[in-house]
Amino acid sequence: QKEVEQNSGPLSVPEGAIASLNCTYSDRVSQSFFWYRQYSGKSPELIMSIYSNGDKEDGRFTAQLNKASQYVSLLIRDSQPSDSATYLCAVNNQAGTALIFGKGTTLSVSS
Amino acid sequence: DAGVIQSPRHEVTEMGQEVTLRCKPISGHDYLFWYRQTMMRGLELLIYFNNNVPIDDSGMPEDRFSAKMPNASFSTLKIQPSEPRDSAVYFCASSSRGYWSGYTFGSGTRLTVV
Repeated sequence: QKEVEQNSGPLSVPEGAIASLNCTYSDRVSQSFFWYRQYSGKSPELIMSIYSNGDKEDGRFTAQLNKASQYVSLLIRDSQPSDSATYLCAVNNQAGTALIFGKGTTLSVSS
Repeated sequence: DAGVIQSPRHEVTEMGQEVTLRCKPISGHDYLFWYRQTMMRGLELLIYFNNNVPIDDSGMPEDRFSAKMPNASFSTLKIQPSEPRDSAVYFCASSSRGYWSGYTFGSGTRLTVV
């Protein structure tokens, strides 16, 4: 059974700091990786996707992928209180047809 | 675009009753997914459709659960009979290219079975 593991947190960082969120996955042949943000009581929204080893930057967000270590991370630079949310890591399932989600890491940014 | 539309937003029902959740995907999206979210288990894939055809329903927990997509703009998830352990937030999501393009989620239906 494919699994996606995340530390549930909460991860607490001060405003302006770098927040680092981590995710590991069990299926070595996984190809597609996504980060979703979910505010309390709201639905998940896509913030980043990454498919190749290395870094991918989008504004204050950087996704990092290391397929050899089966590890994907999300860095948030200059963290803001509005970044306080639960961040979900998602990986394609074995059939390559849908996404499997981790349980999420709760981030709290204090001002 | 109005996004993915789900109804109702909240549903409270008694154990044993039938519950029907509804979803309207984004126009032009050929993929539709139903997920369930609980604190204990996170987001779980229940079933997904491609071009109105159910492709994988292996996540449907029991025969009490059924899903249909009679046309490209409407899907239902039905639970009959409902049980307290079905209490969760049910999300519908749609996509234009399967998971590759990422999902757009609806606002969800919070189901409480008492």
